[in-house]
Amino acid sequence: EIVLTQSPGTLSLSPGERATLSCRASQSVSNNYLAWYQQKAGQAPKLLIYGASSTATGIPDRFSGSGSGTDFTLTISRLEPEDFAVYYCQQYGRSLTFGGGTKVEIK
Amino acid sequence: QVQLQESGPGLVKPSETLPLTCSVSGYSISSGNYWGWIRQTPGKGLEWIGSMYHSGLTYYNPSLKSRVTISVDTSKSQFSLKLSSVTAADTAVYYCGRLPANSYMDVWGKGTTVTVSS
Repeated sequence: EIVLTQSPGTLSLSPGERATLSCRASQSVSNNYLAWYQQKAGQAPKLLIYGASSTATGIPDRFSGSGSGTDFTLTISRLEPEDFAVYYCQQYGRSLTFGGGTKVEIK
Repeated sequence: QVQLQESGPGLVKPSETLPLTCSVSGYSISSGNYWGWIRQTPGKGLEWIGSMYHSGLTYYNPSLKSRVTISVDTSKSQFSLKLSSVTAADTAVYYCGRLPANSYMDVWGKGTTVTVSS
């Protein structure tokens, strides 16, 4: 099983700041089959990024994904109030597994 | 616009079978995507349970495979989950969704909370 480790656990930032979230895999993710989701309290996760860097439909361009192999990054260029949430990475190169999440909170 | 809605009992007794159904609207369940289930617990986070193609091809999480059955009823535009021999560890929010090529979940249901308790 590919284990995904997300860091940091919590990121405290102010609106307008840049957020950089990390997702590290225990082994290489084939074809960069990695997705990112945003989850707000009481809601289902929402797909942001797939294929490590492709933005899902309707997602603002302040969200971007990068990385390959075992190291992946989600960047939010300028945090908007609605971006404070929990973010998860998920790999689908070998079965499907999720990371433990990073909470982005208001500083 | 594709929408999914989970339904099923909110409470299941230990050792029994948990049955959930996902109703799909606004999209043909036979249109070439996978359909699947993911659950979320405070302890283990998000966990993929399994996925099914409309033809009946299924993939299951190895850790749950012995207890999981996913089936589809294209005539009703529904697919279902059965999880047998449940314990308190199966208490979770269960989501159904669409997975293009059994990859990521691009459309999610709102989720349904299932508690396992006597």
